[in-house]
Amino acid sequence: EAQVTQNPRYLITVTGKKLTVTCSQNMNHEYMSWYRQDPGLGLRQIYYSMNVEVTDKGDVPEGYKVSRKEKRNFPLILESPSPNQTSLYFCASSLSGSGGKYNEQFFGPGTRLTVL
Amino acid sequence: LAKTTQPISMDSYEGQEVNITCSHNNIATNDYITWYQQFPSQGPRFIIQGYKTKVTNEVASLFIPADRKSSTLSLPRVSLSDTAVYYCLVPDSGYSTLTFGKGTMLLVSP
Repeated sequence: EAQVTQNPRYLITVTGKKLTVTCSQNMNHEYMSWYRQDPGLGLRQIYYSMNVEVTDKGDVPEGYKVSRKEKRNFPLILESPSPNQTSLYFCASSLSGSGGKYNEQFFGPGTRLTVL
Repeated sequence: LAKTTQPISMDSYEGQEVNITCSHNNIATNDYITWYQQFPSQGPRFIIQGYKTKVTNEVASLFIPADRKSSTLSLPRVSLSDTAVYYCLVPDSGYSTLTFGKGTMLLVSP
């Protein structure tokens, strides 16, 4: 089954404790992206990757890191989480990041993160 | 930077047709317009995509006028389960980022 998986689905942690949220897709997509969603603010893009070893900042990259060592994986790293990073996080992938026909994004189930 | 404007919310009743219009004045020549649906605590899901005129699938229709500065998502005979947030998406310049915006919250009542 074609899908995007994220782990963990739920996480409660404390300020400053490094964490990683994994994201994996099995569709051989080139483009992957991370979003966070907060009430009243909609979906905001954190980082994206056009292909392996190519990553770039989205709208709200502060406090986050990513890596794209393999095509299928795109982990989100919070080196020193803070309470303002409490949010619902989504990973997504698409065939390409172009504005053309094949930019349909497939989303993971989400990771609900709470930073105390 | 392509941006979209949609109504914040819409209300409807079961069985009615719902039309949600999105404006995208700065759409580029090669850009496609994509609509997504999102239920609470779930990731957005692709509904329909189009370039011009009309596109129809089993879920919705998408109408795009000749100037492509707007598009209208049409949901025929909505049901309670169509209550969700609907996003209109046009790629940002450079085709590398996608801005979702806040979407339109559709509430379908009995």
